[in-house]
Amino acid sequence: TQLLEQSPQFLSIQEGENLTVYCNSSSVFSSLQWYRQEPGEGPVLLVTVVTGGEVKKLKRLTFQFGDARKDSSLHITAAQPGDTGLYLCARKKTGANNLFFGTGTRLTVIP
Amino acid sequence: SAVISQKPSRDICQRGTSLTIQCQVDSQVTMMFWYRQQPGQSLTLIATANQGSEATYESGFVIDKFPISRPNLTFSTLTVSNMSPEDSSIYLCSVEGGLRIGFGPGTRLTVL
Repeated sequence: TQLLEQSPQFLSIQEGENLTVYCNSSSVFSSLQWYRQEPGEGPVLLVTVVTGGEVKKLKRLTFQFGDARKDSSLHITAAQPGDTGLYLCARKKTGANNLFFGTGTRLTVIP
Repeated sequence: SAVISQKPSRDICQRGTSLTIQCQVDSQVTMMFWYRQQPGQSLTLIATANQGSEATYESGFVIDKFPISRPNLTFSTLTVSNMSPEDSSIYLCSVEGGLRIGFGPGTRLTVL
């Protein structure tokens, strides 16, 4: 199965708090992407991770790809209201060019 | 990244009617895809729009319900046919071509 489970499904935190979102699969994948989607817009690519154990940073966001390339995490430091949105992990579908999306994590950061 | 526009941005339609959604890209792209996002959920691929040939549909989606056109490398349409309230969703096009990848802003469809 290519199911990508994200947790938590919903997350509501106060401004300034830290949080971690997880993306897990039972199968190995060659790369993984993280997207953020705001209401009324399409998903926007944040990062692509390729190598097992890889860590990438994007300002206050830290992305990690698991050593076995079956899971990934997104850590946000000192969350801000502008971080509010739907966070989606995605992988390329086997033998295809389209994306298979995770179940999503809806984050709300309260001022 | 490519600039992608969709028309209409939203619509409210009656049961049994059809709606055609347009996706326009500012440059030629290799791949174009159509996704559906049901309320509060993640994205599910409907089909890959192939230039000059019939679209490739995912399991659970059929051409009679979601006919797709792709007359050139910058444009595609998705039609939602014989609509029912269960078709109420956001429909998004996505493109990929070399280093250019992205999603359109989506079309929010409500079927009464």
